[in-house]
Amino acid sequence: QSALTQPPSASGSPGQSVTISCTGTSSDVGSYNFVSWYQQHPGKAPKLMIYEVSKRPSGVPDRFSGSKSGNTASLTVSGLQAEDEADYYCSSYAGSNNLGLFGTGTKVTVL
Amino acid sequence: QLQLQESGPGLVKPSETLSLTCTVSGGSITGSSYYWGWIRQPPGKGLEWIGNIYYSGSTYYNPSLQSRVTMSVDTSKNQFSLKLSSVTAADTAVYFCAKTLVSSPSFDYWGQGTLVTVSS
Repeated sequence: QSALTQPPSASGSPGQSVTISCTGTSSDVGSYNFVSWYQQHPGKAPKLMIYEVSKRPSGVPDRFSGSKSGNTASLTVSGLQAEDEADYYCSSYAGSNNLGLFGTGTKVTVL
Repeated sequence: QLQLQESGPGLVKPSETLSLTCTVSGGSITGSSYYWGWIRQPPGKGLEWIGNIYYSGSTYYNPSLQSRVTMSVDTSKNQFSLKLSSVTAADTAVYFCAKTLVSSPSFDYWGQGTLVTVSS
């Protein structure tokens, strides 16, 4: 299976919102509510920001929100802050033979 | 606080087997309903899921790597391991170990990652 498709880059000014898309197929994103989003700063391990499409782990600000429509999931970061500048990856369950299909990654720049 | 730490050789020769171990501290590897996984990231590229293992030994592998991957768990040492055979330069990457949420495939705890370079 191919990686999920994300835009290479996205940007916004402090305080603004940015939305990142994650496009899969009816075999992964479209079939399961197991879409996750990870934030990764340079040289660091990824950090879970959203799981099961729209749930936030404890400690993740409510500025981060997730949604899904059909084969496309989205991550919205509201009230952008400098520390939000990072790479973001989506991931989807794709059946018992493929538990973790990742997206191509999006670099978010805070202008 | 749960912590994961990868260990193993940083340099592996082509055609040989890459072996890594993840040591779990601050919690038991035998917890129910969550899995332990390996994910890798080639330099400057995206993430790739390698596989998951349950403490009982049940495994799930990425279909594209399945023929070369073996994962195992040692509950007495609170560790799980990865072996990747017949490596090539394309297997050069930072390898992360991680833990999933309960009853969900998302990874909520990660190790810091270890760079493995395949080169003669």
